Amino acid sequence: SQKIEQNSEALNIQEGKTATLTCNYTNYSPAYLQWYRQDPGRGPVFLLLIRENEKEKRKERLKVTFDTTLKQSLFHITASQPADSATYLCALRTNAGKSTFGDGTTLTVKP
Amino acid sequence: EAQVTQNPRYLITVTGKKLTVTCSQNMNHEYMSWYRQDPGLGLRQIYYSMNVEVTDKGDVPEGYKVSRKEKRNFPLILESPSPNQTSLYFCASSQDRGPGYTEAFFGQGTRLTVV
Repeated sequence: SQKIEQNSEALNIQEGKTATLTCNYTNYSPAYLQWYRQDPGRGPVFLLLIRENEKEKRKERLKVTFDTTLKQSLFHITASQPADSATYLCALRTNAGKSTFGDGTTLTVKP
Repeated sequence: EAQVTQNPRYLITVTGKKLTVTCSQNMNHEYMSWYRQDPGLGLRQIYYSMNVEVTDKGDVPEGYKVSRKEKRNFPLILESPSPNQTSLYFCASSQDRGPGYTEAFFGQGTRLTVV
């Protein structure tokens, strides 16, 4: 069955450092991989999308890589700030519309 | 303002009493989807719709129904709610696949408790 694993349920880092979050998947051929941020009690907020034929995407302090051979995506937040503390979700979507989310990694950035 | 609106935000109901959670988007998106979020299980897709009159099952469709009679609305229907459907529900919409595909917008969530 299809499975997404976000390595590490929780990640604690010091302000200013780079946070790296991992998303691995099996038995899936996604057309898109997305990263979302979710704050407690709120809906997920879209951050970045990367397509199956793309290797890397950047947006301000965020960077996503996508390796369809390794079936892995890495999500980086550079120069992290306490305001970046949240749960980050990766999600895969097929062209047919089926969408699968990982369980999320809770990032805490300490001042 | 681009948004996905769910109603109600909070609902406590009794087992077996039919209910509908509404979802509406104002972005003319083709794709809409329902998810439930439970501790330790993450977000799981219930149903999705690629366009009007087109709906498909996600990973956990049992006990739910949906309809897509018009583009902006995608209600979630629980014909006979049971306690195991107590959860936090999210509706989302996005532009469809292809170059136009962009971000998915999520509603603010509906916290449902079935007693």
